[in-house]
Amino acid sequence: KAGVTQTPRYLIKTRGQQVTLSCSPISGHRSVSWYQQTPGQGLQFLFEYFSETQRNKGNFPGRFSGRQFSNSRSEMNVSTLELGDSALYLCASSLGGGGARNSPLHFGNGTRLTVT
Amino acid sequence: AQSVTQPDIHITVSEGASLELRCNYSYGATPYLFWYVQSPGQGLQLLLKYFSGDTLVQGIKGFEAEFKRSQSSFNLRKPSVHWSDAAEYFCAVAVPNAGNMLTFGGGTRLMVKP
Repeated sequence: KAGVTQTPRYLIKTRGQQVTLSCSPISGHRSVSWYQQTPGQGLQFLFEYFSETQRNKGNFPGRFSGRQFSNSRSEMNVSTLELGDSALYLCASSLGGGGARNSPLHFGNGTRLTVT
Repeated sequence: AQSVTQPDIHITVSEGASLELRCNYSYGATPYLFWYVQSPGQGLQLLLKYFSGDTLVQGIKGFEAEFKRSQSSFNLRKPSVHWSDAAEYFCAVAVPNAGNMLTFGGGTRLMVKP
């Protein structure tokens, strides 16, 4: 079974631009979560989507948004990029119904975003 | 709100030596507890998890962890470290009714000396 696929692996953008990152979950998984990983702040939860609905949201500004499609694929968008948005963005999928207790998260290898 | 502390940023052990990585959490009840490992350029892989019951849990790759309620700790252990265990280790918590929202500790980078 294929794992969680994130595209692209690397991305370089300029301040003020916007970016869209893509995540394809494991087949059959209905929950997709996004995390930001930086050396300074560590791993931080962005948001979670389950059956096309945002189920939880972390403490990030409105510039960060996401969506999930009917096939469970998810995208996250960051508008008006800032230097501090440079990070590894990780997507994780799970079966999803019962949350963290019932179904473990499977992480992709991430998209490395560099903002110059 | 819950929080997780991993007091050791870096740990170096010799191959074949035992390992213990510390994790302390702050939450009003018993959260769901996890240990993940991340190799360079990779995502996170789940090593083990604790929800309830037996406080000693076994995971993959020979790892185990012990939940101690009185100390709000969930330390990860391995009796004999292999060079391939060199990676970054993250402790994480989740709470009921919060879906898959995990709160991670800052991580411990493990180096293994030959």
